[in-house]
Amino acid sequence: EPEVTQTPSHQVTQMGQEVILRCVPISNHLYFYWYRQILGQKVEFLVSFYNNEISEKSEIFDDQFSVERPDGSNFTLKIRSTKLEDSAMYFCASSYNSPLHFGNGTRLTVT
Amino acid sequence: AQKITQTQPGMFVQEKEAVTLDCTYDTSDQSYGLFWYKQPSSGEMIFLIYQGSYDEQNATEGRYSLNFQKARKSANLVISASQLGDSAMYFCAMRGPFSSNTGKLIFGQGTTLQVKP
Repeated sequence: EPEVTQTPSHQVTQMGQEVILRCVPISNHLYFYWYRQILGQKVEFLVSFYNNEISEKSEIFDDQFSVERPDGSNFTLKIRSTKLEDSAMYFCASSYNSPLHFGNGTRLTVT
Repeated sequence: AQKITQTQPGMFVQEKEAVTLDCTYDTSDQSYGLFWYKQPSSGEMIFLIYQGSYDEQNATEGRYSLNFQKARKSANLVISASQLGDSAMYFCAMRGPFSSNTGKLIFGQGTTLQVKP
């Protein structure tokens, strides 16, 4: 069964550094998403992407965040200047209709 | 605005027994979808079951069933014959109108289920 692939599984970075989280959605899916989950807490919506543009973003998704689909297969989340509070599990998801299929997540640790 | 509420932070169930995980929601939309996901300790999000707001019958997927009570705005997950591997965090989620081109899900706070041998 096709799946959403995320790399890396774990990333450690220093505060103020830029990070790029990578995702390969399921190939025939049209909608792409990033969510984050601070340890043990609820899963929070960050951004949705459709037809090569952001279709919706949450208030968490400020100017420090950006998304790209550079080559028709990858879907990336960039955090420009990481803060300690960006430490979380970041999930990529994709869908064609429903439901959303999630990747295994990237655990980001900001020190 | 849409809202999902899971009022049980933690639940215990004896192996082989059934358990119900509660979920209530609030929305002014007429069309919406309700989902349950399982998150084991390894961290991945596993889709379990889906119920559309216009579906007249409760959804079932193997040992999982969704007790959908539209008037009460509840979408409880029932797991029959619990197994040790069911120990995990369970999230209820809602998606807005199908006409929306975002398809985003709003998640509840989650319920941690522990199955006792």
